[in-house]
Amino acid sequence: GAGVSQSPSNKVTEKGKDVELRCDPISGHTALYWYRQSLGQGLEFLIYFQGNSAPDKSGLPSDRFSAERTGGSVSTLTIQRTQQEDSAVYLCASSFSGSQEFFGPGTRLTVL
Amino acid sequence: AQSVTQPDIHITVSEGASLELRCNYSYGATPYLFWYVQSPGQGLQLLLKYFSGDTLVQGIKGFEAEFKRSQSSFNLRKPSVHWSDAAEYFCAVRPKAGNMLTFGGGTRLMVKP
Repeated sequence: GAGVSQSPSNKVTEKGKDVELRCDPISGHTALYWYRQSLGQGLEFLIYFQGNSAPDKSGLPSDRFSAERTGGSVSTLTIQRTQQEDSAVYLCASSFSGSQEFFGPGTRLTVL
Repeated sequence: AQSVTQPDIHITVSEGASLELRCNYSYGATPYLFWYVQSPGQGLQLLLKYFSGDTLVQGIKGFEAEFKRSQSSFNLRKPSVHWSDAAEYFCAVRPKAGNMLTFGGGTRLMVKP
């Protein structure tokens, strides 16, 4: 596609439920990133995928967060047992081998 | 600890006036440097980046930034601001051997008519 796409654009869920957020990177981009943007914490790195290498999970805030990237393309970020502090905009970005990162429009997650 | 600081949380300028947004970083070695803009409800758009070479970098939308190693700064400038420049601006760095961006807290720019 022309750019990074994310779905859904908005997600409202109840505390304790699991959610899945999807990212479609730019075709051919080998690197994929997830960031979180929240009022209290600003923009934070969550996880990084590069090709077939093991992902860099150093930014995941707890073991309730996980992500996978299937076939080196689409990625899903899963948050289990959501908490109110998980409310944020989740941004996905992709790049070709460490060059400029292109960001998607984000998924706004609201946990009630 | 590595950090990026944008000292100004909010800035208001008149349309047509000049603009400078400040960014300071604290890293062991000079990282790659970026400025992004985020309009309401939008994702992040890259304005410009510095990897090496000429320390004055030109970007899109008439923006430029100057890397000053001695001050660990990468300030963003525009000679004449347009109303459409109202947005939030983020400075970011990435270590040359690293994988991810570290962002400053952002500066929200408002433009008065």
